[in-house]
Amino acid sequence: DSGVTQTPKHLITATGQRVTLRCSPRSGDLSVYWYQQSLDQGLQFLIQYYNGEERAKGNILERFSAQQFPDLHSELNLSSLELGDSALYFCASSVAGQGYGYTFGSGTRLTVV
Amino acid sequence: DQQVKQNSPSLSVQEGRISILNCDYTNSMFDYFLWYKKYPAEGPTFLISISSIKDKNEDGRFTVFLNKSAKHLSLHIVPSQPGDSAVYFCAASRTSSGSARQLTFGSGTQLTVLP
Repeated sequence: DSGVTQTPKHLITATGQRVTLRCSPRSGDLSVYWYQQSLDQGLQFLIQYYNGEERAKGNILERFSAQQFPDLHSELNLSSLELGDSALYFCASSVAGQGYGYTFGSGTRLTVV
Repeated sequence: DQQVKQNSPSLSVQEGRISILNCDYTNSMFDYFLWYKKYPAEGPTFLISISSIKDKNEDGRFTVFLNKSAKHLSLHIVPSQPGDSAVYFCAASRTSSGSARQLTFGSGTQLTVLP
């Protein structure tokens, strides 16, 4: 157990729907990162939050949004889902925002049918 | 534009021999490099890192080498063990806006260590 908790582990939904992925960072970590791993692809950076504020954005689609709550957990919202959104979504956390030595959760596997 | 590239999707090595995983990067602003290991159904776990001011970092059986002029780094595992079989991701980091940093990952190399 890495200390980073992601729920749900698996999610199957239809095209056009909206889902929410949840991440609880490791105790004491203030920064949360979201990554997407599609088939045979590396981990693509989506977005970073630090202590409740958006810190950096990567290749995140406009249909996707995220937030970090006062208790530091984070949610990634994916809407108007398309087949191509099927992927593993990882959350990682770190103490600060320096991007060193992330701790990853075990991921949420999203399947859009 | 892939800024971090792992050109070998897979590598098979005999147990006890050396495993060498390679990674190339294009962005000269990267100043910190990491290797992560990933088992199926788990998230990536940090393995070893190196700052751009060094050219080698060693931790037990794992050594990372950095060649800044060639924009190339490699991970050596000696001796390789069957438990090392996993996907290995190379990652690079640089300071972006303010003090924010994120990791840019390669596409991974599946290492299989044969008994």
